[in-house]
Amino acid sequence: QVQLVESGGGLVKPGGSLRLSCAASGFTFSDYYMSWIRQAPGKGLEWVSYISSSGSTIYYADSVKGRFTISRDNAKNSLYLQMNSLRAEDTAMYYCARVNYGIDYWGQGTLVTVSS
Amino acid sequence: AIQMTQSPSSLSASVGDRVTITCRASQGIRNDLGWYQQKPGKAPKLLIYAASSLQSGVPSRFSGSGSGTDFTLTISSLQPEDFATYYCLHDYNYPWTFGQGTKVEIK
Repeated sequence: QVQLVESGGGLVKPGGSLRLSCAASGFTFSDYYMSWIRQAPGKGLEWVSYISSSGSTIYYADSVKGRFTISRDNAKNSLYLQMNSLRAEDTAMYYCARVNYGIDYWGQGTLVTVSS
Repeated sequence: AIQMTQSPSSLSASVGDRVTITCRASQGIRNDLGWYQQKPGKAPKLLIYAASSLQSGVPSRFSGSGSGTDFTLTISSLQPEDFATYYCLHDYNYPWTFGQGTKVEIK
């Protein structure tokens, strides 16, 4: 069955960096586009970034453009999100998600807290 | 960016009620819209894709309709396990945007 398992979240100071990872299994990872979506505590969902199956096409939300970098390693069945210059407003649960007619599978999320 | 206006933001309903949630896009998005259910502490779950197609394994009491700018999620007979927050999401172009969410509570 499809599994997406995020890791790498934690507490970081404003201006700091963090790298999230997502391990995919149960499907042919290299066939699918992938995304990161986040949810601030008690708030709604926000799409963050998208990467095509080969990694050649990438999009970002304006709120993270220039600070976050999405990437993937198809040989390792893994998706990544490098987050730099973190701000308090980046505090959220970050979900790894498979793109297929929207999002058809979500990971369980990893919590990122940006606070001094 | 396309804005998705979802309404209502919350509603109270009883088991067995018919519930309707709407999403309006700020411009036409064909049928590139999905509906998601989220329970507290859990990841969202896809219910409907391409505006009206039922995701595999989702009960048939859930249905979606609409095209262009106006979309509807209907729960024909609300069940206890349906109390949750529901979101629409357009995947017409980037950036994708979600509706603000509709919290369905027990009356």
